[in-house]
Amino acid sequence: DQQVKQNSPSLSVQEGRISILNCDYTNSMFDYFLWYKKYPAEGPTFLISISSIKDKNEDGRFTVFLNKSAKHLSLHIVPSQPGDSAVYFCAASHSAAGNKLTFGGGTRVLVKP
Amino acid sequence: GAGVSQSPSNKVTEKGKDVELRCDPISGHTALYWYRQSLGQGLEFLIYFQGNSAPDKSGLPSDRFSAERTGGSVSTLTIQRTQQEDSAVYLCASSPRDRRLAGLGVNEQFFGPGTRLTVL
Repeated sequence: DQQVKQNSPSLSVQEGRISILNCDYTNSMFDYFLWYKKYPAEGPTFLISISSIKDKNEDGRFTVFLNKSAKHLSLHIVPSQPGDSAVYFCAASHSAAGNKLTFGGGTRVLVKP
Repeated sequence: GAGVSQSPSNKVTEKGKDVELRCDPISGHTALYWYRQSLGQGLEFLIYFQGNSAPDKSGLPSDRFSAERTGGSVSTLTIQRTQQEDSAVYLCASSPRDRRLAGLGVNEQFFGPGTRLTVL
């Protein structure tokens, strides 16, 4: 039973345009959400996070939106750059589970120059 | 500064053999996590250490899997009698002292590069 889902396995976008990555979750106990970026042969690196008490968090070109009622979050990257080409993972955690992260399956983003 | 390191980077073994995977966390990080990523899948939680104790082992897939952490630092993940379905990238992550207790939110986890395990 996948508690965190990324339904789009891949996304292709033109340089300079917006990339929108989506993530859905089923466990209403999740209270913190994170996005990680992964290049081949490297471990994931933290990108941005959001607490369930907020609906938006912004950091430079990256913005994460949370819709608790829909159990949906999204990551916006604007403007997209070729260096953003990577696999992006959505992850969630809840207080009762300590810091254990539950990950989605990932979305591969390709930014075309 | 040094990040999380893992060794070996690649391991090829025969079915039925035992393997040990090592993780060196960032110095001073008290929490350590093991995850694995099977081909085409997301990351799957295996086990979590706080100091040398493992309060959450719920992700270990079978009793062939075990892990220990000594001195609050290095951790070893051991897989006994490996099976082909154990083939995956095994990732280790560490994070600082739990900030959640101070109401500062979830700690960011810093990942190592992983060990790619192939069981023939």
